[in-house]
Amino acid sequence: QSTLTQPASVSGSPGQWITISCAGTSSDVGDNNYVSWYQQLPGKAPKLMIYAVTSRPSGVSDRFSGSKSGNTASLTISGLQAEDEADYYCCAYTSSSTFVFGGGTHLTVL
Amino acid sequence: QVQLVESGGGVVQPGRSLRLSCAASGFTFSSHGMHWVRQAAGKGLEWVAVIWYDGSKKYYADSVKGRFTISRDNPKNTLYLQMSSLRVEDTAVYYCARWDNDKRFDPWGQGTLVTVSS
Repeated sequence: QSTLTQPASVSGSPGQWITISCAGTSSDVGDNNYVSWYQQLPGKAPKLMIYAVTSRPSGVSDRFSGSKSGNTASLTISGLQAEDEADYYCCAYTSSSTFVFGGGTHLTVL
Repeated sequence: QVQLVESGGGVVQPGRSLRLSCAASGFTFSSHGMHWVRQAAGKGLEWVAVIWYDGSKKYYADSVKGRFTISRDNPKNTLYLQMSSLRVEDTAVYYCARWDNDKRFDPWGQGTLVTVSS
């Protein structure tokens, strides 16, 4: 059970958009449409931002969107705001009925 | 409102055991699968284990298989993680999370810290 591959850090200026990638394999990201994304603020528990690749829970800003192509999923945040600065993790359901997280990406809003 | 509250963390010596609990409220506990996820200080999230809504199926990360046991008591609305043969590398904040539709983890508890040290 390896971790999914995410960039360690990304950055953007307020108002810009950024994309965080999440690379897996045909046994996890590429196996089904159960990829989710979580935001974690310092000292806080993770919060669900995207599920089932593209779905957004109620209460989450529509500036957050998800997509997937083959074995790689992506999280896009448009109209960056200072409050978006956080760690972001992808998670995939695997063909073995287990789950695997990405290594996490720290987003800096410049 | 939906709430998950973990407890049972603390300092334990290598090789010893510890049991974590997660008290659920605000939803029908017996209708949802539940997870344990951990996070070492300054590190990323690591999925630990999942249990089906009725306890019929359980799956574990390779790193804890054979040492950790996930269980639940539906009448008590409580999830457990029995951890044995603890190692220094098991030191982490342990979160419980509800397994919702479409395989999402929502919500999460606030976490409980487990420190394995001699």
